Amino acid sequence: GQQVMQIPQYQHVQEGEDFTTYCNSSTTLSNIQWYKQRPGGHPVFLIQLVKSGEVKKQKRLTFQFGEAKKNSSLHITATQTTDVGTYFCAGPREHDSWGKFQFGAGTQVVVTP
Amino acid sequence: NAGVTQTPKFQVLKTGQSMTLQCAQDMNHEYMSWYRQDPGMGLRLIHYSVGAGITDQGEVPNGYNVSRSTTEDFPLRLLSAAPSQTSVYFCASSYSSTGLGGYTFGSGTRLTVV
Repeated sequence: GQQVMQIPQYQHVQEGEDFTTYCNSSTTLSNIQWYKQRPGGHPVFLIQLVKSGEVKKQKRLTFQFGEAKKNSSLHITATQTTDVGTYFCAGPREHDSWGKFQFGAGTQVVVTP
Repeated sequence: NAGVTQTPKFQVLKTGQSMTLQCAQDMNHEYMSWYRQDPGMGLRLIHYSVGAGITDQGEVPNGYNVSRSTTEDFPLRLLSAAPSQTSVYFCASSYSSTGLGGYTFGSGTRLTVV
């Protein structure tokens, strides 16, 4: 079945530094989405990417969808303590049936002041 | 406030007990899903629904039942609770089957089975 892998599983970052987290799927995705979950909270939708090679920015966050639509990345610049949380990528396989939306295991981000 | 409402927020069950986790959304979303979240395993799909009267299994359906009699409600039933079902359960909804536009999650139910 489809597998969505995220690396790294944990990311310790000094405040002000940049980092990137990666998402890889074993199959082509029709779109990819990113979610953020604060400690003790629920996942919150950040963004979706649909087109091959698409790049989108949200302030200090840059999201990219790979040319083959099988991988994606999230790059955060000048990390702040508000960036703490777990970031999940998720997506459905292309041409898949209803609702089978699969999440990666997430990258847990810890920010050191 | 528009969104997904889950009840209860916390629950402790004894092994063998049954219960229903409630989920309701007021956004007129056709697509609703139940996920469980365990440490290091991300979110795993239990069951999902593409509209009233239509449900299907996700990747970890054993021990759970669902029904969808209305667009708004999608309850999850634990038939005979087991310690392995200790987890955080999230209900989510979307207007699209592929999640285009994003899934809206409820605040979760933290379930402990002893």
